[in-house]
Amino acid sequence: DADVTQTPRNRITKTGKRIMLECSQTKGHDRMYWYRQDPGLGLRLIYYSFDVKDINKGEISDGYSVSRQAQAKFSLSLESAIPNQTALYFCAIMDPRGQEDTQYFGPGTRLTVL
Amino acid sequence: GQNIDQPTEMTATEGAIVQINCTYQTSGFNGLFWYQQHAGEAPTFLSYNVLDGLEEKGRFSSFLSRSKGYSYLLLKELQMKDSASYLCAVDSNYQLIWGAGTKLIIKP
Repeated sequence: DADVTQTPRNRITKTGKRIMLECSQTKGHDRMYWYRQDPGLGLRLIYYSFDVKDINKGEISDGYSVSRQAQAKFSLSLESAIPNQTALYFCAIMDPRGQEDTQYFGPGTRLTVL
Repeated sequence: GQNIDQPTEMTATEGAIVQINCTYQTSGFNGLFWYQQHAGEAPTFLSYNVLDGLEEKGRFSSFLSRSKGYSYLLLKELQMKDSASYLCAVDSNYQLIWGAGTKLIIKP
């Protein structure tokens, strides 16, 4: 079984709709991240969480919100989707107790906003 | 500001060697990562450097010079399956700052 799962894997929606992307992990790691990836650009950090009560904005948090329902679950919401939020979204986890702060990624969610 | 630079695209021949460079300017430095990403898939971890020098892992090696803000990923004995994007990322205060990635095209 995959360590990090994301649902849905693909989603097409319309402008103005509310969308939730979900991320779950089985590794018990504290740190979880949401990124978006656009062609020709690097991964950009949207939000990150160091534990259930610790949520932080990343580089591009405007238009997004998150919820850390449990250590294993970190959800990303688009309250009112707009076309420039069309992108590939990745959830990642990290174990800071390890020798290196390696991040491991979920399979991604491809979101299209029409 | 924080900046990671790497070439947009490179082309190499199957069986050859290719070096992908990465230069960085970041406010903090806790290590440099290289990830591989096939089209439409998630990035997967390749290597980590925190001290100067060369780290070798099979066909892949990664080098770091902290004083120069420079790293490279060296791929030997290239195979067609190595066609992918290679992402350089710097751990700056427990956040990863990502380069845009280098698309590597392998020709037979």
